[in-house]
Amino acid sequence: GAVVSQHPSRVICKSGTSVKIECRSLDFQATTMFWYRQFPKKSLMLMATSNEGSKATYEQGVEKDKFLINHASLTLSTLTVTSAHPEDSSFYICSARVTLNTEAFFGQGTRLTVV
Amino acid sequence: GENVEQHPSTLSVQEGDSAVIKCTYSDSASNYFPWYKQELGKGPQLIIDIRSNVGEKKDQRIAVTLNKTAKHFSLHITETQPEDSAVYFCAASGNTGGFKTIFGAGTRLFVKA
Repeated sequence: GAVVSQHPSRVICKSGTSVKIECRSLDFQATTMFWYRQFPKKSLMLMATSNEGSKATYEQGVEKDKFLINHASLTLSTLTVTSAHPEDSSFYICSARVTLNTEAFFGQGTRLTVV
Repeated sequence: GENVEQHPSTLSVQEGDSAVIKCTYSDSASNYFPWYKQELGKGPQLIIDIRSNVGEKKDQRIAVTLNKTAKHFSLHITETQPEDSAVYFCAASGNTGGFKTIFGAGTRLFVKA
């Protein structure tokens, strides 16, 4: 299947700083990527839909100024957690599809720890 | 919006036995139902999927069934092995939801050797 690469896999940052997570589709172009957040032993919660060349669509309750999404090219979407706080610590996962109604391929996830 | 419910939350089976995980969805417009396996500290990995125009699909030890009328779909794993131990998620998506993949709560499967 298609490969989605996410970087970094782990990051530790201090409170108040910002962290950028990259999601790349390695062997296909993705006009749409999705960002999820997962708490320990919980399911994946959709945060936002990232659209190439346009603004992201955020799910209800997700702060767009807190979680900045940029989808600058057909193979790269980034999620920036701004002014991070310990409660932002979580596992963040991206996914991408070749076309909208086909299977979604997931990145390996990023474990963010804010200290 | 779409809501996916998944049961059981935990499932323990003996090696060689079968495991069944069941899901229901709410949006009748959903037409794509993937199943993912997630190991600790990793992203979900697609193991099998089914579309709404098909009632059953099988891939070696894994099969999925779909009942569109009842809005139920199930994952069946036969001849389970210890390496099948993981968290399994069902999901649903469709064009009315912008093709967002909505996940069930997950099932933690333990296969005892």
